[in-house]
Order: sequence, then C-alpha cells, then structure tokens
Amino acid sequence: AQKITQTQPGMFVQEKEAVTLDCTYDTSDPSYGLFWYKQPSSGEMIFLIYQGSYDQQNATEGRYSLNFQKARKSANLVISASQLGDSAMYFCAMRELNSGGSNYKLTFGKGTLLTVNP
Amino acid sequence: EAGVTQFPSHSVIEKGQTVTLRCDPISGHDNLYWYRRVMGKEIKFLLHFVKESKQDESGMPNNRFLAERTGGTYSTLKVQPAELEDSGVYFCASSQPLGGKGYRETQYFGPGTRLLVL
Repeated sequence: AQKITQTQPGMFVQEKEAVTLDCTYDTSDPSYGLFWYKQPSSGEMIFLIYQGSYDQQNATEGRYSLNFQKARKSANLVISASQLGDSAMYFCAMRELNSGGSNYKLTFGKGTLLTVNP
Repeated sequence: EAGVTQFPSHSVIEKGQTVTLRCDPISGHDNLYWYRRVMGKEIKFLLHFVKESKQDESGMPNNRFLAERTGGTYSTLKVQPAELEDSGVYFCASSQPLGGKGYRETQYFGPGTRLLVL
C-alpha cells in the first residue's frame, strides 16, 4: 500500500487565485512529520513547509499553508495568490519515527505538476 | 550559507561503465541522505549516513551501488557497473540532528545528478 498518495498528477490555476494540492498518508506511527517540497523545472528540491503529527495548529509559511486533518490522514498544501513562479512539481513526503528511533528517511508521493496560467 | 551541492549535474555513460556521484552537504549537517527518482516513479530513499557511519542502507538496490562518506563530510555514490535501469535523478539531502524529535528534522536537498545509462 502506498504510504503517500497524491491523486492529482496535474493541476491548473489562474494567477492570483488559490490552489489546493492534495496529499493523504498512511501510517500507524503516532510520531511523524509531513513535508512539502517544490521542484521547479531547474530540478532542485525546495523545502516549503512542515507539519508535525503533534502540532495543534496548521503550519503556515508565507503564501503556503498546510490543511492538516489528522483523523482523515490528509495534509493538503494550500497556495494562496498563485504566481507564475509557482509553476512546478510539488511533492508531499512523510517521515516516520519508528519505535527504534532510527528511521529518518522520507517517503514521497508521486508529485503534482502545478501550472499557473497568466 | 551554501546549500547542498552535487556533482556532476548530468552524466551520460554506457552500460557497464562506472560513474561516481558526489554530494557536499550543508556545513555542519551530520545527517546525509541519498535518494533516487527513476523516470515516472516516486523519489525513493537509498541510504542514510550519520557522520561517516551508514545508519540505514535498506534502499540500496544491489551491490553495484557503493556509498561512502569519508571523514563525515562529503559523500560519494559509485555505480559499478552501470545498468540501463540505473538511469534517473540522484538526489542528496542533509539535515541537522534534532535528538529525540528526529521526525521534525528538515532535509535540505541538492539539485540532483541526472544519470543516463545508454
């Protein structure tokens, strides 16, 4: 079973509008972190935002916010006031801290290609 | 502060040849990770160093892949001999340990090395 599911291979949004990129996850570990990364056409992976499983409030970083619904196991990324430079691939990732405390790897979804139209 | 750097940015080799990828993490980051994205698939974890020690190499596909991190600084990933299915983008990431809250650690990625095996 997939641990991270991003159901939208591609999304389109008009400039200045808001867009939500979906991410659902699967874990039985009570301690985990959820991350969103942006990969523009140049190829680098840019960290955007983080949400911890114990965080009471949804994470926000500038125009990025994370709609964290723990019971539904979803961690959707919301980009407000889209800009042309937001066009990129977006990856949702999860890190689980297993009982041994040694598993720090990230598990990624397949990504969503966002295109911002002028 | 310099980010994670990787060299080369691109490599085209023939099947059976050897290729060595290099990663320089952010200065002071003890954790270093290698990931790979094969065309059309998710980004997959390969291995994790803590300083010079391999903490987790469960993602290494086979013994044609050898990773080292001499002196706990930069890391190399050697593929010998390369096969067609090794083509993809190899990412390196680094992070600073957060002790007992490791699941909150943010991994910072390099730009990746695009490997094409012909």
